[in-house]
This record gives sequence, structure tokens and C-alpha cells, in this order.
Amino acid sequence: EPEVTQTPSHQVTQMGQEVILRCVPISNHLYFYWYRQILGQKVEFLVSFYNNEISEKSEIFDDQFSVERPDGSNFTLKIRSTKLEDSAMYFCASRAGTVNTGELFFGEGSRLTVL
Amino acid sequence: DQQVKQNSPSLSVQEGRISILNCDYTNSMFDYFLWYKKYPAEGPTFLISISSIKDKNEDGRFTVFLNKSAKHLSLHIVPSQPGDSAVYFCAASDNQGGKLIFGQGTELSVKP
Repeated sequence: EPEVTQTPSHQVTQMGQEVILRCVPISNHLYFYWYRQILGQKVEFLVSFYNNEISEKSEIFDDQFSVERPDGSNFTLKIRSTKLEDSAMYFCASRAGTVNTGELFFGEGSRLTVL
Repeated sequence: DQQVKQNSPSLSVQEGRISILNCDYTNSMFDYFLWYKKYPAEGPTFLISISSIKDKNEDGRFTVFLNKSAKHLSLHIVPSQPGDSAVYFCAASDNQGGKLIFGQGTELSVKP
């Protein structure tokens, strides 16, 4: 069964360092998303991406964040200068471009720890 | 701005009994409601959904009920099994780009 894959599964970084989280969405999907979950809290929307541009972003997604689809398969989230409060699980998700039933397919997540 | 709320952080039921998880929302423009199941250190897994034009959707042991006038939905699991133990997230979609808005989650524990 097709799945969304994310790398790395866990990254530890120093505050102020740049981090890139990578995702390979399901191959025929057209809409891509990043979410995050701080430990013990809810899953929060960060950004949605369609047709090579951001379609929507949340207040969390400030100038320190950027997304890119550098080729036909990868979808990346970059945090330019990490802060302690960026420590969270980051989930990539995708959906097909046909009928929207609301369902997003999520990856296993990348745990980011900022020290 | 909590558009989707799950007011019960946890629920414990006996194996074989019914589990009822509740969710409330505020935005009447939501057109799909979904339930996701999540284990620690894994991504959310889709469980069941319902369109805003319906009031019930059933899939095996899982049934979702939607009460639009009350802006309330619930997930019924019957019979509950120990393998159902996980965090359940209610989510809503407004079809404006397809993002999901999640509730805070309810941790279900099914005891043998």
C-alpha cells in the first residue's frame, strides 16, 4: 500500500541551527501538508502546498519556516534558525487531487529535538 | 481559536463494551469530519469520516454520528478491543485547500 515516508525519524540539533525535514508523499497525490505536534498537545496545521506554491499557512509558519518541492517526489520543510520551542513531532501529509473527502495520509513523523 | 474540541482527555472502557468518543466544533462551514487514531511516535491513521450532509456512517465496529444542529459528532466503537487503545483525534475539513483542523485528542484505554 502506498505510504508517505519521512526522514529523518529523529533529529537532534543545537538552537540556532538550520534543519531540513524531508518527505516523500504518495506518488499521485497533488496536495501536501506539514503539521506538528508538541509533546502532549494536539496536531497543529503548519502549511499546505499545491501546484508548487503555498496555498495556506498558519500563524506558526513564520519567516523561519519554508517549504519546497525541489523535484517530482520530495517535499521539504526547512527551519532556518531553530528555537527550543520548535521541538516537536513534524508530520507530513498528502492527498490526491480528485474528490476531496477530507482524508489526508500522514507519514510516521520526524521528531525534532532542539537543545 | 479552538474550532474543534474534544473535552475528554481520556476514556477507559472494558473489553467488549462500547466506547463513545465525543467532539464538538464551532465552524458551520466544515464539510467533512474525520476520526484519526494515533499511537505514540507514529503518524495519525485515518479511521472513518462523515460528510456534513449525512448523520451517520458505519464501518465495521466503528460508527460516526453527526448532529449538525448541535455541532457535535461522536465515534462509537463496539465491541471495544484492547488493540483499540490509542489516542483518537477528531478532525474537520473546510474544503478550502483541504487542511484538517484537529481536536486535542482523547486517549482511549480498553482493559481486558
